[in-house]
Amino acid sequence: GNSVTQMEGPVTLSEEAFLTINCTYTATGYPSLFWYVQYPGEGLQLLLKATKADDKGSNKGFEATYRKETTSFHLEKGSVQVSDSAVYFCALSGVPSAGGTSYGKLTFGQGTILTVHP
Amino acid sequence: GAVVSQHPSRVICKSGTSVKIECRSLDFQATTMFWYRQFPKQSLMLMATSNEGSKATYEQGVEKDKFLINHASLTLSTLTVTSAHPEDSSFYICSARDWGRTDTQYFGPGTRLTVL
Repeated sequence: GNSVTQMEGPVTLSEEAFLTINCTYTATGYPSLFWYVQYPGEGLQLLLKATKADDKGSNKGFEATYRKETTSFHLEKGSVQVSDSAVYFCALSGVPSAGGTSYGKLTFGQGTILTVHP
Repeated sequence: GAVVSQHPSRVICKSGTSVKIECRSLDFQATTMFWYRQFPKQSLMLMATSNEGSKATYEQGVEKDKFLINHASLTLSTLTVTSAHPEDSSFYICSARDWGRTDTQYFGPGTRLTVL
């Protein structure tokens, strides 16, 4: 079945530091890949997504590239801010397949807590 | 962006009682909604897929008689935890899929259930 593995946290950085959160996946076919962010006390929000190999998703200074050869979708940001402190989830969405039921379902990684200090 | 609401945000109940959680898509129609459970410091676990006008599809290991799902309209799905016990205490999150506009899942803010 599908699975997503994220680097374990928590991750603590100083403001303006470079961020990388690793994410690798196992799936059949060509899933869509997502990064979601959960700020304290709030629901999950879509941060960025990529739907095919070599696509780069980007938003709010965050980027991630869909690498099929390494089955990875690492999240990066060049200069983090205190306001980026949150929990980040990597996820994949199943693809249609004959008789399959996984289409549209999201499989999440375990989440990575990011804390950015001034 | 699209908004999904959940009600209540927090609920405390006694063991043996039933609790209903509502999930609403506020500005789009959602034929499909998903219910997740999130344990402290852990990831989201998909419980079931809720389809408007038909029976929900439950993930393996999720008791359908304990977690009743009803998706009676294109904007509302409900999850009822029946005969709740302390081990059912958790954070329940719904999402709604906007197939028509952006094909993106939008998540509700979650409901914290505590069973005493």
